[in-house]
Amino acid sequence: DTAVSQTPKYLVTQMGNDKSIKCEQNLGHDTMYWYKQDSKKFLKIMFSYNNKELIINETVPNRFSPKSPDKAHLNLHINSLELGDSAVYFCASSQPLGVPFFGQGTRLTVV
Amino acid sequence: AQSVTQPDIHITVSEGASLELRCNYSYGATPYLFWYVQSPGQGLQLLLKYFSGDTLVQGIKGFEAEFKRSQSSFNLRKPSVHWSDAAEYFCAVGNLMGTYKYIFGTGTRLKVLA
Repeated sequence: DTAVSQTPKYLVTQMGNDKSIKCEQNLGHDTMYWYKQDSKKFLKIMFSYNNKELIINETVPNRFSPKSPDKAHLNLHINSLELGDSAVYFCASSQPLGVPFFGQGTRLTVV
Repeated sequence: AQSVTQPDIHITVSEGASLELRCNYSYGATPYLFWYVQSPGQGLQLLLKYFSGDTLVQGIKGFEAEFKRSQSSFNLRKPSVHWSDAAEYFCAVGNLMGTYKYIFGTGTRLKVLA
């Protein structure tokens, strides 16, 4: 009965590959987010969706493409992976202006 | 633009000692403020939040925080730290202007000495 679940938890891949991270929330929230946490633990918002519509796109390279098939899901697809994409990616959800609940994170390592 | 500053990158306290983690924010109106804790290899867990009302808010695990508008601060406190409190702590501010944006500070790593 996990509130916000991400898969996979760990992802190791080679440069140039394309990969996806999936996120699902069962909280009935309208808003979902992707955050990137770098090696210094800094958390930076990447995308925000509200009712399946993109609200925030924070100067993220075009290689990153979020997709929200429905309110409960927000997936992140990454093309042509680069070494600098290595990070922990967190999915979160909230009601508009509500408390964000975070998933456990996906640790992406690009080699 | 809104921002959050956590001046202390690392803090070390002895078990049983009191704790205060500092957070300063920059925001044009009354902010939504949060404290999260991240244990190693884990996601972020909400400790407490401030939306409005009483400026002293109580959270889980014995934590509390006080909103001080005059100082633009939202410091986290705990009267007696337990070894299990060792973790990374993040302060965050939410945007009230409808862009659903939450800005996080850079975190404070807490080490607890036995």
